[in-house]
Amino acid sequence: QQQVKQSPQSLIVQKGGISIINCAYENTAFDYFPWYQQFPGKGPALLIAIRPDVSEKKEGRFTISFNKSAKQFSLHIMDSQPGDSATYFCAASKAAGNKLTFGGGTRVLVKP
Amino acid sequence: DAGVTQSPTHLIKTRGQHVTLRCSPISGHKSVSWYQQVLGQGPQFIFQYYEKEERGRGNFPDRFSARQFPNYSSELNVNALLLGDSALYLCASGESGGFTEAFFGQGTRLTVV
Repeated sequence: QQQVKQSPQSLIVQKGGISIINCAYENTAFDYFPWYQQFPGKGPALLIAIRPDVSEKKEGRFTISFNKSAKQFSLHIMDSQPGDSATYFCAASKAAGNKLTFGGGTRVLVKP
Repeated sequence: DAGVTQSPTHLIKTRGQHVTLRCSPISGHKSVSWYQQVLGQGPQFIFQYYEKEERGRGNFPDRFSARQFPNYSSELNVNALLLGDSALYLCASGESGGFTEAFFGQGTRLTVV
């Protein structure tokens, strides 16, 4: 049962462009929505996270948009750089615990 | 400050063997969780431990077990290895049992042949 669906599976963006990754969840008990960045051979690194009481959160070039009624959230990477080329995972968890349910991942390639 | 450390980094085992993976959480963190990441997929939750007690278990067979020690380090044990157990095994630590920020180690790459 895939509780968090992520799209697209991969995307290519030019340097300076905007990368947009979308996720949809099913479990309305989820209360915490982080995004992770993973480079080959490394563990996931926390990028940015949001709770459903806000609709948007921005940290540097990374922005999360959250739509509680649609049960969807997205990551926007502004001014994409070649160093942003990595796999990005959305995740969700319940407030009372920390079991993270991950999406399937999006491989992002930023072309110089 | 040291992050989450896992050992070994790579491991090759034969079908039917047993394996033990180790994790040391960030200093001051009392919770450890284990995840399995098959190539090309997102991590899947296996176990969470907090203060040496199991706080959660994912949908994995009983061949998988774990424990947490008084110093908050943890071991993941897998018995009777199958080819399908080949994956990157990730450990995440957090400050408390109800934490929401998980910090991952770089993982142990297990190959079962």
